Amino acid sequence: SAVISQKPSRDICQRGTSLTIQCQVDSQVTMMFWYRQQPGQSLTLIATANQGSEATYESGFVIDKFPISRPNLTFSTLTVSNMSPEDSSIYLCSAVGSYEQYFGPGTRLTVT
Amino acid sequence: SQQGEEDPQALSIQEGENATMNCSYKTSINNLQWYRQNSGRGLVHLILIRSNEREKHSGRLRVTLDTSKKSSSLLITASRAADTASYFCATDPNTGNQFYFGTGTSLTVIP
Repeated sequence: SAVISQKPSRDICQRGTSLTIQCQVDSQVTMMFWYRQQPGQSLTLIATANQGSEATYESGFVIDKFPISRPNLTFSTLTVSNMSPEDSSIYLCSAVGSYEQYFGPGTRLTVT
Repeated sequence: SQQGEEDPQALSIQEGENATMNCSYKTSINNLQWYRQNSGRGLVHLILIRSNEREKHSGRLRVTLDTSKKSSSLLITASRAADTASYFCATDPNTGNQFYFGTGTSLTVIP
C-alpha cells in the first residue's frame, strides 16, 4: 500500500488569491490524481497528474484554474488559482499502485 | 463526471442488523472499489473487485459484482455503531485508469 501526505491540511484564503497544495507519496506509483469533494458531496475527479507532461483534465476543469505539476513519480502539486468562495472544498490527492487507489488525508480549503 | 449512482442515498439500521447498499454504473469497467468515509475524515479503502470476479469477502463485508447489469452491492453484516459513515463505490472505465466515484450512501447504525 501507499501512504500519501498532503500539505497544507487546511487553509483559509481570500478571494482572488491562489493556493498550492502539495502531495507526497511514500513509494513510486504509476498514476496520481486530484479530486475535489464539496461539502456533503461525493468526490469529483479534477485531473490525472502525468509525470513530466501536462495533466489530463476532466470535463469542467481547466489548466488555467487548476494548474498541476508532477515532476517525478512520488510528488505532485495542485494550484487553485484566482479563488472564489465556490472553490471552498476538500481537495484530495490520490495514487494508484498495482490496482488499488489510495487517498491522502485531504486539504480543507475555505475561501472568504 | 460521476460514473455511478448509489442506492439508497441514506440508510438507518439498528446495531446487529445487516446493511446493503447498491452501486450502478454506466460503462464497462476494469475494477470496482468500495470506500468508507467517516464524517470529516479521509477515505478508507475497503475492497476491490475485478471485472472478472463475481463476489468477494473481507471480514464482515461482502461485495458482489454483476457486470451484465452494471451493478455492485456492498453488504455489511452484524453492523456496529462504528460502521456509521458514508460509503462510496468507485469504478475505472475501460478507457483508462481513472476512478470515478458514485454519489454515496450515508449509513447510520443506531446503538
